[in-house]
Amino acid sequence: EAGVVQSPRYKIIEKKQPVAFWCNPISGHNTLYWYLQNLGQGPELLIRYENEEAVDDSQLPKDRFSAERLKGVDSTLKIQPAELGDSAVYLCASSPDFGGELFFGEGSRLTVL
Amino acid sequence: GENVGLHLPTLSVQEGDNSIINCAYSNSASDYFIWYKQESGKGPQFIIDIRSNMDKRQGQRVTVLLNKTVKHLSLQIAATQPGDSAVYFCAENASGGYQKVTFGTGTKLQVIP
Repeated sequence: EAGVVQSPRYKIIEKKQPVAFWCNPISGHNTLYWYLQNLGQGPELLIRYENEEAVDDSQLPKDRFSAERLKGVDSTLKIQPAELGDSAVYLCASSPDFGGELFFGEGSRLTVL
Repeated sequence: GENVGLHLPTLSVQEGDNSIINCAYSNSASDYFIWYKQESGKGPQFIIDIRSNMDKRQGQRVTVLLNKTVKHLSLQIAATQPGDSAVYFCAENASGGYQKVTFGTGTKLQVIP
């Protein structure tokens, strides 16, 4: 069974440019998470989807970050415009439903210059 | 706010010895706890979980202990191997009225051959 797939693995952009990350969760997993992970720290939740509904986006900086999961399957996280402080690893995870083990992708490492 | 695993220690252990990694949490509503292992350049990977109605759970070479009185979790790794070198995170789920998965800051385990 394929795991959570994320792309791109690495992205280097200049500040003020837009960037988008894509995530394909494990087939059948209704819950999808986007996490931000700074170096040496634990993952911090940005947004959680139950199917296509964003049920927790309280930590998403909505002035520049947006996310969508239109058909309740794959998801896109966008940053526009990117700032230097956005340099981090963006992790996507999925689970069959809320409250269980999370299955993580390998992450997308963003460097903003 | 909620705080899980406030400390980020580095634990150095001789190969073959046992390792104990600790985690503190502050949300009394948390009822499900998971330990994740994160190797360099990869996403976190599930190791073992425990529900709040238990105080101990064993897996293969790993044991998780939960002390709800002092809001403390520990992960014990028996006969630590070089492949155990990674950052270990505890995560708590509060599945009640406010559903949230929160990660601690992690502990880096270094295994000395």
